[in-house]
Amino acid sequence: DTGVSQDPRHKITKRGQNVTFRCDPISEHNRLYWYRQTLGQGPEFLTYFQNEAQLEKSRLLSDRFSAERPKGSFSTLEIQRTEQGDSAMYLCASSLVGSGGKLFFGSGTQLSVL
Amino acid sequence: AQTVTQSQPEMSVQEAETVTLSCTYDTSESDYYLFWYKQPPSRQMILVIRQEAYKQQNATENRFSVNFQKAAKSFSLKISDSQLGDAAMYFCAYRDGSEKLVFGKGTKLTVNP
Repeated sequence: DTGVSQDPRHKITKRGQNVTFRCDPISEHNRLYWYRQTLGQGPEFLTYFQNEAQLEKSRLLSDRFSAERPKGSFSTLEIQRTEQGDSAMYLCASSLVGSGGKLFFGSGTQLSVL
Repeated sequence: AQTVTQSQPEMSVQEAETVTLSCTYDTSESDYYLFWYKQPPSRQMILVIRQEAYKQQNATENRFSVNFQKAAKSFSLKISDSQLGDAAMYFCAYRDGSEKLVFGKGTKLTVNP
């Protein structure tokens, strides 16, 4: 068990470009979450999956954001036409159903939009 | 909407001493979970302790304990025998029947040698 891993660790992009992040959860975990954290704030919920089904999306997740978890294993988060306001750390977490909300987080992807 | 408030942006403690971090929350639910997460400079959020609202007994994990006051909607974290490795951002979080965790803004803890 290597924990939750996220790739890349840092991403610098120009405004208007598309970016994609990857998250590999702990292998036996069936729930996967995406959060966004801006400087000086706590993480904010974006979306979560149970297996391959996306069960909840925050209103923060505009139509430029899309997340997938095609085979119930790894997940990708894509941001299209990036804006400077998208600059943040994107955190992935995973958990087991019935674990009472015990989430295991990755180290995040730090996105900077220039 | 549920909110979580951490009123102490920064706290400091001497090594081996005890420190208490404050958290209040707002909810109309009766059944929920409360958490303290630690985020060191490595950025990875680590679960420190969890409290289930229906349990009256305060949760304890080694040097970490909570004071859960349900009527007052207060959930403070006490760190005993503070160690240099305890230095980090600490986030209080709330979860009810939804899968969504709601976090406070965090408290930066400095441990002085």
